[in-house]
Amino acid sequence: NAGVMQNPRHLVRRRGQEARLRCSPMKGHSHVYWYRQLPEEGLKFMVYLQKENIIDESGMPKERFSAEFPKEGPSILRIQQVVRGDSAAYFCASSPPSGGPYSSTDTQYFGPGTRLTVL
Amino acid sequence: KQEVTQIPAALSVPEGENLVLNCSFTDSAIYNLQWFRQDPGKGLTSLLLIQSSQREQTSGRLNASLDKSSGRSTLYIAASQPGDSATYLCAVGTGKLIFGQGTTLQVKP
Repeated sequence: NAGVMQNPRHLVRRRGQEARLRCSPMKGHSHVYWYRQLPEEGLKFMVYLQKENIIDESGMPKERFSAEFPKEGPSILRIQQVVRGDSAAYFCASSPPSGGPYSSTDTQYFGPGTRLTVL
Repeated sequence: KQEVTQIPAALSVPEGENLVLNCSFTDSAIYNLQWFRQDPGKGLTSLLLIQSSQREQTSGRLNASLDKSSGRSTLYIAASQPGDSATYLCAVGTGKLIFGQGTTLQVKP
């Protein structure tokens, strides 16, 4: 059973371009989370999604950032008009249907991350 | 607002020592607490999950305890090895995972 997959692993963009980060959860997992790790800072929650629904986006910046988890295919984190301050490692995690962030047994499994560099 | 603090920020020990990593949180209303390991440039590996109703969990040389009322958790690593060198992260589950800043551990041969 493959783990959480993220691609690309490294992404370089110039200021003003768009960045698309992809996450394929573990097989059978229905909960997807995105986190960001800025240089010299801890991991911060961004958004929690289930298939075709955004459940909690309280950690998403108000502008330029969006996320989706379509019925088919991977979850996408999209950053429009990137700025240097968006340079960070972006991690995706997933958990099984029996879990979810309101469950005491929820174990989140993390992908290897996408390291975004904005020039 | 939930805040998670880990002490110490860094730790260097000789191989074979037993050690304790500390995690504290400000709001006891949590679903669970997880300990993760992060290697440089890599993702996170889940080590232990303690449900809010539990006091401790064990896996091999690792033992994690949870005292929800005092807002504390400890990760005990027995007989440390150079391969244990990594950053250890504590995260509380509150409807989202809230992470501490981590403890960077170096175990010297």
